Amino acid sequence: AQSVTQLGSHVSVSEGALVLLRCNYSSSVPPYLFWYVQYPNQGLQLLLKYTSAATLVKGINGFEAEFKKSETSFHLTKPSAHMSDAAEYFCAVSVAGGYQKVTFGTGTKLQVIP
Amino acid sequence: GAVVSQHPSRVICKSGTSVKIECRSLDFQATTMFWYRQFPKQSLMLMATSNEGSKATYEQGVEKDKFLINHASLTLSTLTVTSAHPEDSSFYICSAEDSELGTQYFGPGTRLTVL
Repeated sequence: AQSVTQLGSHVSVSEGALVLLRCNYSSSVPPYLFWYVQYPNQGLQLLLKYTSAATLVKGINGFEAEFKKSETSFHLTKPSAHMSDAAEYFCAVSVAGGYQKVTFGTGTKLQVIP
Repeated sequence: GAVVSQHPSRVICKSGTSVKIECRSLDFQATTMFWYRQFPKQSLMLMATSNEGSKATYEQGVEKDKFLINHASLTLSTLTVTSAHPEDSSFYICSAEDSELGTQYFGPGTRLTVL
């Protein structure tokens, strides 16, 4: 079985400050890991994904995440928050092979304070 | 990136009626599509996996006779909520797997409100 845990359902940062959204995973086999962003009343947009290549993954909108096997973590970061980053962020895990059954975390709502 | 569309984006229906939601992959073929349900301020819960040309695989606790899934082509999957009730009101999101890229692409979602 696979699962992800997102620490903090709400995170507030000031505009221009570092964004750090935490995600820890559990998987019995090497995982694929994803970060998605959801704006109000919209679907999900893929920010980035880890699929066993480079451990530091760069995504869209200046976000990046680092896969740390020893810590079973895949935290999402952005050096400088922008007002447009305010949204809900979901960490997700799947197992490679066949179709990908993705398990989502409970989400972290990011608030950016001007 | 790949595009997945859903239709309709919003639907309001009376209790007891059936509602069909379409999910289309616009620029790639998807052997596998997924249907999720999202309650307010909660995460996405996988309802079922839709495989082209075969029966859908439902997650535990999801009534297959209530949520009918048809995946008739490599670009279209439909979810029909039969005899809808107010508790079925939710945000339904589909995704399609681009097997060549190994990535799921999500549709924009359908907001269902049952009165």
